Amino acid sequence: DQQVKQNSPSLSVQEGRISILNCDYTNSMFDYFLWYKKYPAEGPTFLISISSIKDKNEDGRFTVFLNKSAKHLSLHIVPSQPGDSAVYFCAASLPDKLIFGTGTRLQVFP
Amino acid sequence: NAGVMQNPRHLVRRRGQEARLRCSPMKGHSHVYWYRQLPEEGLKFMVYLQKENIIDESGMPKERFSAEFPKEGPSILRIQQVVRGDSAAYFCASSPRATANTEAFFGQGTRLTVV
Repeated sequence: DQQVKQNSPSLSVQEGRISILNCDYTNSMFDYFLWYKKYPAEGPTFLISISSIKDKNEDGRFTVFLNKSAKHLSLHIVPSQPGDSAVYFCAASLPDKLIFGTGTRLQVFP
Repeated sequence: NAGVMQNPRHLVRRRGQEARLRCSPMKGHSHVYWYRQLPEEGLKFMVYLQKENIIDESGMPKERFSAEFPKEGPSILRIQQVVRGDSAAYFCASSPRATANTEAFFGQGTRLTVV
């Protein structure tokens, strides 16, 4: 039962343009969502989060949007930079665990 | 302030041997989580521990796998009689409190290869 889904395994974006990574969830009990970034051979690093009482959270070039009625969230990166190339995981929080999606590999090309 | 430390970074075991993976949480963190990432897949929750207690082990295989977080020392994930299918990256994360409404910080992982 995949409670958190990232349906796009990969995304390729030109440097300077916007990257939009999407995530869908099925469990309405989730009330806190996070995005992690992962480089090869390293652990995931926390990027940005959002509480379900909000519909938007912004931190520099990164903005997360939450649509509770659609059970959908998205991460916007603008402008995209080559250093953003990594795998991005969406995660939803329960009291005793984080449930992760399968990840989207973002490649930013010059 | 050191981050989450995992060792070894790489571990090679023959089928049937035991694998021990260690995780030292960030200073001040008493909540530890273990995740497994199989090739080309996302991170799958295995177990959540607080000091000396297993809180949730719903993601742990029923046999051969065990975890502990003693009062002193690192958390240990132990895999007995390893098989090829255990080859994966194992990540440990820690947080100062339960993960509800907070982020967990991950270590760099242990890459287990079973030959």
